[in-house]
Amino acid sequence: NAGVTQTPKFQVLKTGQSMTLQCAQDMNHNSMYWYRQDPGMGLRLIYYSASEGTTDKGEVPNGYNVSRLNKREFSLRLESAAPSQTSVYFCASSESGGDQPQHFGDGTRLSIL
Amino acid sequence: QQQVKQSPQSLIVQKGGISIINCAYENTAFDYFPWYQQFPGKGPALLIAIRPDVSEKKEGRFTISFNKSAKQFSLHIMDSQPGDSATYFCAASMADKVIFGPGTSLSVIP
Repeated sequence: NAGVTQTPKFQVLKTGQSMTLQCAQDMNHNSMYWYRQDPGMGLRLIYYSASEGTTDKGEVPNGYNVSRLNKREFSLRLESAAPSQTSVYFCASSESGGDQPQHFGDGTRLSIL
Repeated sequence: QQQVKQSPQSLIVQKGGISIINCAYENTAFDYFPWYQQFPGKGPALLIAIRPDVSEKKEGRFTISFNKSAKQFSLHIMDSQPGDSATYFCAASMADKVIFGPGTSLSVIP
């Protein structure tokens, strides 16, 4: 049982490049989330998807887009990467809603030069 | 009003001691209060959670104490072990909104 799988695990980009972070879950969960984790700031919600076909902005959505491809997959896209987006990105899923346990992937470590 | 405050930022405890981490929230609409444990290089994992209709929940060495009137909750780790060394995040959530505290780095020394 893989749980939540994120790819890639590491990535280095140059300013202005674009890339998509992939996330897939095999727990048949309805809700999926993208967070960024920066030192001393905890986890900040970028976007979430309460169910297949819906997405909503979180606390820090600027510079990002998301796609809920199907129930399993939720991708995060950086259209024009900036050094301020250097962070560790985590994808999570829950059965339904924020008042349920969230299951996290192991993260994507992204550096933007 | 959406912020979750967490203290201390870091904590060093001797093996066998009690580790205590405190959190506070403002929004009374929050209805689920989980604690997550994160080891280096890994994603956070749910440790224990509580809902506001109870004042305490215990699972093994881990206990959440919840004070609804003060809008505070805390994690107690009894008989702390070196394997408990990790970063701990409290969170408060409702519906699709989850707010995490900034985290506490716990080091348990032999």
